[in-house]
Amino acid sequence: DAKTTQPTSMDCAEGRAANLPCNHSTISGNEYVYWYRQIHSQGPQYIIHGLKNNETNEMASLIITEDRKSSTLILPHATLRDTAVYYCIASNAGNMLTFGGGTRLMVKP
Amino acid sequence: EAQVTQNPRYLITVTGKKLTVTCSQNMNHEYMSWYRQDPGLGLRQIYYSMNVEVTDKGDVPEGYKVSRKEKRNFPLILESPSPNQTSLYFCASSLSFRPGDGGYTFGSGTRLTVV
Repeated sequence: DAKTTQPTSMDCAEGRAANLPCNHSTISGNEYVYWYRQIHSQGPQYIIHGLKNNETNEMASLIITEDRKSSTLILPHATLRDTAVYYCIASNAGNMLTFGGGTRLMVKP
Repeated sequence: EAQVTQNPRYLITVTGKKLTVTCSQNMNHEYMSWYRQDPGLGLRQIYYSMNVEVTDKGDVPEGYKVSRKEKRNFPLILESPSPNQTSLYFCASSLSFRPGDGGYTFGSGTRLTVV
């Protein structure tokens, strides 16, 4: 897995968009970018993944730069329930995902 | 409801007493995996299985065993638990092990304490 760098923590106002950055400057051409989140001590929850193109689903949008060296996860209208640790992973090994430290997102009223 | 079910949710046991943590998924997923999570160390993979009767070691397999006799079940066995296996354990499953086939679905976790 390529190394990823995320801010340790971020704040976001409720109702505003949360933009979570991830740097993966050493990513190789066949490595996907995955995002998961973990709310307190619950099981991690898959959010979205992408290879080259931007992706959107019912939870979030994933914007990957053209050079693929960084990406941004966007939660369009953050709620208090989006408070969690968000993990960005760059991997081409479907059998093993390596979770780093993640970004602790605090959504505030 | 599509889910990964782990049992028990909480377990306190004594050193050396064999235990099994069960994991079952109802999504016909090929791939299953076990992780442990410890403060400051994050999530680390213990074992994984790419299909029935196919298992392999992850990053921290010592002290653990697994089996995959049926597609839906992937139990984690601690033959002789020790205090350093006190941790929060998660089971996960995925449609396949092929990259890009989607994400993992995780269970709710098992908090194990070995005294």
